[in-house]
Amino acid sequence: EAQVTQNPRYLITVTGKKLTVTCSQNMNHEYMSWYRQDPGLGLRQIYYSMNVEVTDKGDVPEGYKVSRKEKRNFPLILESPSPNQTSLYFCASSTTSTGTWNNEQFFGPGTRLTVL
Amino acid sequence: QKEVEQNSGPLSVPEGAIASLNCTYSDRGSQSFFWYRQYSGKSPELIMFIYSNGDKEDGRFTAQLNKASQYVSLLIRDSQPSDSATYLCAVNDGGTSYGKLTFGQGTILTVHP
Repeated sequence: EAQVTQNPRYLITVTGKKLTVTCSQNMNHEYMSWYRQDPGLGLRQIYYSMNVEVTDKGDVPEGYKVSRKEKRNFPLILESPSPNQTSLYFCASSTTSTGTWNNEQFFGPGTRLTVL
Repeated sequence: QKEVEQNSGPLSVPEGAIASLNCTYSDRGSQSFFWYRQYSGKSPELIMFIYSNGDKEDGRFTAQLNKASQYVSLLIRDSQPSDSATYLCAVNDGGTSYGKLTFGQGTILTVHP
């Protein structure tokens, strides 16, 4: 089954304790992206990756790191989490195209993170 | 920062009516526009994308794009209770960072029987 998986699905942690949220896709997609979703703010892009070893900042990259060493995986790293990073996080993937960007993103199930 | 604005609603329509969802964007260079639907507690899923001025129809859904007015809309004909969800408008960056996407805050749609 074609899918995007995220782990963990739920996480409660404390301020300053480094954590990694994993994201993996089995569709051989070049593009992957991380979003956070907060009430009233919609989805906000954290980082995206057009392909292996190519990552770029989205609108809210502060406090996050990513890496893309393999095509299928795109982990999100919080080196020193703070309470304002409490949110619902989605990973997504898609194919890429030259010219007009018309690629459907497939979203993972989400990771609900609480930082105390 | 480039902006995408939606009326957060909630928008309430009776079953069988036309639901009209609107989105404005600030980046004149944006080329691709997406509508995602998100049911409560679920992940977003793509309904439609559009990149040419005018209308694009897919079943009960019609996307309308007006680049001069920087406006994109989604019409849902014959609305059903199963259409009740949050609808997210997304716009890609108009420059070289075309993989960068900005979402609106979403419009909550409720279709009542």
